[in-house]
Amino acid sequence: AQSVAQPEDQVNVAEGNPLTVKCTYSVSGNPYLFWYVQYPNRGLQFLLKYITGDNLVKGSYGFEAEFNKSQTSFHLKKPSALVSDSALYFCAVRGPYPSSNTGKLIFGQGTTLQVKP
Amino acid sequence: AAGVIQSPRHLIKEKRETATLKCYPIPRHDTVYWYQQGPGQDPQFLISFYEKMQSDKGSIPDRFSAQQFSDYHSELNMSSLELGDSALYFCASRAGGGGYEQYFGPGTRLTVT
Repeated sequence: AQSVAQPEDQVNVAEGNPLTVKCTYSVSGNPYLFWYVQYPNRGLQFLLKYITGDNLVKGSYGFEAEFNKSQTSFHLKKPSALVSDSALYFCAVRGPYPSSNTGKLIFGQGTTLQVKP
Repeated sequence: AAGVIQSPRHLIKEKRETATLKCYPIPRHDTVYWYQQGPGQDPQFLISFYEKMQSDKGSIPDRFSAQQFSDYHSELNMSSLELGDSALYFCASRAGGGGYEQYFGPGTRLTVT
C-alpha cells in the first residue's frame, strides 16, 4: 500500500538558516510525490511535485525537494528560512492502482515548521 | 488566478441534522476530490469525480453522498450528523491532460453540536 511518513512532528529553525522537512515513502510502482503547505485556517497550497526526471525539484516560494530512490525519501528544503514559512507541511503520495488513475492523495501526518526570528 | 471556491466556510449543525457542502472547481478542471481533516490530523480522502462520474471512493460513511453537476461543481451531502463528523472538509480540483497536482479550496469547517 502507498504511504508516506513524516518522522518529525515539529521542526524549529532560525530565520536565515537552511531548513529540511523530512518525508519517506513506501509505494508499489513509480512514486508520484507532492509537498503541500497549510497555514492556520487555510486550505492546502501546492508547493512542488516529483513525477519523473531530475531528482532535485524546485517549487514555489524558494522551496525545493530532493527525491532519493535508494533511501525512499523526498525531503523538503529551503536554503534560507523566513519567519513567514512557519506553517504545517504535508508530504503526499498518489494512491495505488487503480486509485493512481484517479489521482487521490495519501498524506503524511504533517510537520509543523517554526521559524524563529 | 481563479481558485477553488467552497461554501459555506463555516457551518454549525446539531446531531442528526443534515448538511450540504458546495465546491466550485477551477475553470476547466475536470476532476474534483473531497477530503476530511479532523483536528490535528492529515486530510483523508473521501470521494472523487471525473467528468461528473464518481471515479474513486475512500473512507466515506454511508450517511454521506456526493455528486458532480453538469457545470462541474460538486456537492457533499451529509445526513444524520454525528459529533465525530466535526472537521474541516476540503475540496480539491485537478486539471485533465496530465496535470497531477491538486488545488485545494479554503475548506468548510463543520461543527456538530
